[in-house]
This record gives sequence, structure tokens and C-alpha cells, in this order.
Amino acid sequence: GNSVTQMEGPVTLSEEAFLTINCTYTATGYPSLFWYVQYPGEGLQLLLKATKADDKGSNKGFEATYRKETTSFHLEKGSVQVSDSAVYFCALSEGNYGQNFVFGPGTRLSVLP
Amino acid sequence: DSGVTQTPKHLITATGQRVTLRCSPRSGDLSVYWYQQSLDQGLQFLIQYYNGEERAKGNILERFSAQQFPDLHSELNLSSLELGDSALYFCASSVLLAGAGNEQFFGPGTRLTVL
Repeated sequence: GNSVTQMEGPVTLSEEAFLTINCTYTATGYPSLFWYVQYPGEGLQLLLKATKADDKGSNKGFEATYRKETTSFHLEKGSVQVSDSAVYFCALSEGNYGQNFVFGPGTRLSVLP
Repeated sequence: DSGVTQTPKHLITATGQRVTLRCSPRSGDLSVYWYQQSLDQGLQFLIQYYNGEERAKGNILERFSAQQFPDLHSELNLSSLELGDSALYFCASSVLLAGAGNEQFFGPGTRLTVL
């Protein structure tokens, strides 16, 4: 079946450091890929998405590129802020209507001032 | 604000009891998903409904059940509660259109504490 693997956390960075959170997936077809963010005490929010190979999703300074050849969708940000401290989930959806949705285990990011 | 609402926000109850969690999807979304999130942060998919019909089932216990009503709101029923059922329960909705990304939009969650 489909699956999503993320780098284990927690990840601790200093403010203004470069962030990479690795995500790789296994899917039988051509999934759409997502990154969600969960701030403390809140629900998950869609951060960015990509629906086909080589697409780049971007939002709030975060970027991720859909790499079909390496089945990856790594999340990057050039300069993190304390307010980026959260849990980040990589996810995929597949099926004619994207109904087969799979989340990764999440990666906790802590950014120190 | 995602447009998905969940009630109640917090729920404290005792072992053996039964509770009902409610979710209203975003306007226009036909599909509703339920997830359980435990303290170790992982999201466990429980069940999905589409326009009133069950579409997919995940790791949902037999003590748990759900339904989606004609007005598209959904309820998750948890019975014979155990201490281990204490968790955050999230509802998400999606429009589910062919060819679209079909991202899910999450509600704020219900925090269930079983004492």
C-alpha cells in the first residue's frame, strides 16, 4: 500500500538557520503531495501542495518540489523563525478522486531565538 | 480558519461512558474524515464518509462508530471508553473532485480526556 516516510525529529534549529525536512513516499500511481503544519494546540493547516512531477509548492517562505525519480517531496526554508516551531506532516493522496490519503508520522521542529 | 467546525472543543468523561463528537465540513465539501491523534503526535485515520456513505475505514475500533447525515455534518460515537482513548480527535473535509489535488481541511479538534 501507499506510505509516507519522514525524517525523525525533533529537529532543533537556531533562528535564521536553513531548514530541510525529508519526505519520501511509496505509491502505486501518481499521487498529489502535501505538507501540513500543526502549531501547538491547533489543528493541521495545509502549508503547500504539488499535484504532478516537477511541480514546486511554496507558501510562507517554505518550498517543496515533487521529485518523481526519487519519490521525494522535501520541505525547505531558507531562514526559519521562532514562529515556525510546529509539527510538520508530509502526506499524499491518490485515486481518481484523491480519496486515498496517507500522512507521514510528523516531524517536530523547534526554533530557538 | 479552515471552515471546518468541531464541537465540543474539550470533553472530560469517565471510563465506560459514551460520547459523541460532531463535525461540520466546509461549505461544498462532500467528504469527511476522522482522525485520532495521540500524545506521541501521530495521526491515525479512523474513517471516511462521502455524501452520506462510508468510503474507507482505517484503524477504527469496534467500540467506535460514525455517520454522515443528509446535511453532511458527521458524528463520531465513542463507547465503552477506556483510558487509552484519551486523545485529540480531528475531523477533516475535502471536496473530492476528479483531477484536483483534493487536500483535506482540518477542524480545530476535540480533546477527549477519559478519567
